[in-house]
Amino acid sequence: DVKVTQSSRYLVKRTGEKVFLECVQDMDHENMFWYRQDPGLGLRLIYFSYDVKMKEKGDIPEGYSVSREKKERFSLILESASTNQTSMYLCASSTHRLGGQPQHFGDGTRLSIL
Amino acid sequence: RKEVEQDPGPFNVPEGATVAFNCTYSNSASQSFFWYRQDCRKEPKLLMSVYSSGNEDGRFTAQLNRASQYISLLIRDSKLSDSATYLCVVNTGNQFYFGTGTSLTVIP
Repeated sequence: DVKVTQSSRYLVKRTGEKVFLECVQDMDHENMFWYRQDPGLGLRLIYFSYDVKMKEKGDIPEGYSVSREKKERFSLILESASTNQTSMYLCASSTHRLGGQPQHFGDGTRLSIL
Repeated sequence: RKEVEQDPGPFNVPEGATVAFNCTYSNSASQSFFWYRQDCRKEPKLLMSVYSSGNEDGRFTAQLNRASQYISLLIRDSKLSDSATYLCVVNTGNQFYFGTGTSLTVIP
């Protein structure tokens, strides 16, 4: 089974802090994604990566950056946290090697910015 | 226009009922289709992939209509444990597009 692990289930930070969310997958997947999910808005893509050191902006990249130094790890960085970044953050991975493969999600991180 | 449109519901059905969800997508070049289940405050989990010829997994049946660009999920003999939000997902290239989810509550 694919395992996607997010570093924290719950996190509380203060406005203006730099926040790091870590995600690790163990299936050698090429693609990794960061989403946020808010009530009534569904999943919104923040950033994604097709390969090591590659990154692409999603629909809502403002206020975020990412890092993919190793294939198995994809980090989301909130440069200066703000209260409107309080949300559920979900990491996912997938492969395009076989075609038609689904995404697999981590447990999610509930981030509160005070 | 949204890539994926899904009726948010809620659907409230009695145990044992049959319930169907539909989802439409806008890009005719989309290649792969999935249904995910998401429980409250949990991550989405893959329920089933959707194949062109339709596919079944126990009480769940998924269908794809490429001509009309919609996918469907049918749940037969609903159980209390089926209560969740069901997300349709469409894969186009390396991108995945999510519906906003349909809420299902199965009532005793």
